[in-house]
Amino acid sequence: GENVEQHPSTLSVQEGDSAVIKCTYSDSASNYFPWYKQELGKRPQLIIDIRSNVGEKKDQRIAVTLNKTAKHFSLHITETQPEDSAVYFCAASVHSGGYQKVTFGIGTKLQVIP
Amino acid sequence: DVKVTQSSRYLVKRTGEKVFLECVQDMDHENMFWYRQDPGLGLRLIYFSYDVKMKEKGDIPEGYSVSREKKERFSLILESASTNQTSMYLCASSSHRDGYTFGSGTRLTVV
Repeated sequence: GENVEQHPSTLSVQEGDSAVIKCTYSDSASNYFPWYKQELGKRPQLIIDIRSNVGEKKDQRIAVTLNKTAKHFSLHITETQPEDSAVYFCAASVHSGGYQKVTFGIGTKLQVIP
Repeated sequence: DVKVTQSSRYLVKRTGEKVFLECVQDMDHENMFWYRQDPGLGLRLIYFSYDVKMKEKGDIPEGYSVSREKKERFSLILESASTNQTSMYLCASSSHRDGYTFGSGTRLTVV
């Protein structure tokens, strides 16, 4: 089955700096890569996603890149703010038997220091 | 506009009790999932269902069962709760149109 590795497990940055979280996946059939943000005590929420036919996608301060050949994808947050502090999960999804099977990384706890 | 609702936010149960965790979604999603979330282990899939009365084992199904009698409701059952099942349980639903939508989670403590 799919295996998703996520690094680093914790990340501290100064406010205004950039943060990068990296993930690798094993199943070359995976074709959808969402990222979720989970604030303390709240549910994970989708913040950005990318499909396998796209190499990069940007939404304001957040961008995601995908390298299908190397099977890795990354989340980039620029000009970080304290409200970006949360746990971020990457995921890889493959269409299997009529549904999308999603495998999550273990999460990265991001702390933005004011 | 809560779309995936988990019946309890916090639960405390005794070892050996039968525990029911309920999840209801109002988005007419075909797929529903139960995950447990533990520090350092991320989100691990327990069971999922892609249709009414259908269920599939995830990565860690041992000690759990599920029920999906109606499209909008997916129940997780701990037949005999044990202390190693103390965890945060997250329900999610999805369709081919949408990504995942998670519930707020149920923090279960087994004493």
